[in-house]
Amino acid sequence: DGGITQSPKYLFRKEGQNVTLSCEQNLNHDAMYWYRQDPGQGLRLIYYSQIVNDFQKGDIAEGYSVSREKKESFPLTVTSAQKNPTAFYLCASSDSGGSGNTIYFGEGSWLTVV
Amino acid sequence: GNSVTQMEGPVTLSEEAFLTINCTYTATGYPSLFWYVQYPGEGLQLLLKATKADDKGSNKGFEATYRKETTSFHLEKGSVQVSDSAVYFCALSNAGGTSYGKLTFGQGTILTVHP
Repeated sequence: DGGITQSPKYLFRKEGQNVTLSCEQNLNHDAMYWYRQDPGQGLRLIYYSQIVNDFQKGDIAEGYSVSREKKESFPLTVTSAQKNPTAFYLCASSDSGGSGNTIYFGEGSWLTVV
Repeated sequence: GNSVTQMEGPVTLSEEAFLTINCTYTATGYPSLFWYVQYPGEGLQLLLKATKADDKGSNKGFEATYRKETTSFHLEKGSVQVSDSAVYFCALSNAGGTSYGKLTFGQGTILTVHP
């Protein structure tokens, strides 16, 4: 089946640790995105990438890093510099960056700091 | 900048009631507008979209019309079901400049439908 796969579904991080969330898509989409969702709030954009080997900061990029070495993969690293990382993280992709194109989402990953 | 404002929730309805969730936006140019739905513990699914003024998006009995004069994209359904219980997000996408291709979301509205 075509879609976006995020892993792990649940992840626990100790204070001071970096963790990486995986996102893989087999939709052959050029653009990929990472969003963060906090309870009772909408989604906020962390990073996005329109082509391989290129990515841009979103609204809340501090404390996060990404790479785009392959078209189908866009991993997100939550670094120890992120002060409040506990949240639901959603990866997404679209055919291109155009405003009319639909952005499709993965099932999400829950990150909890313990 | 771009922004989306949704009506405050949560919204609680009885089955077969009429649903309206208000959404207004602020954006330059000509954004595309979307409604996404999120079921508990899951990612977001596109419900419907409209890419230009006066377009009506529709899906699964839900409808929304892109009103440029009132900068609104209100979601409606004539008869809700228990299975419609979810969180609904209004969003816009605006091409050009640094906002190229990204979605700006409202805060979400929780809908609960009772039998």
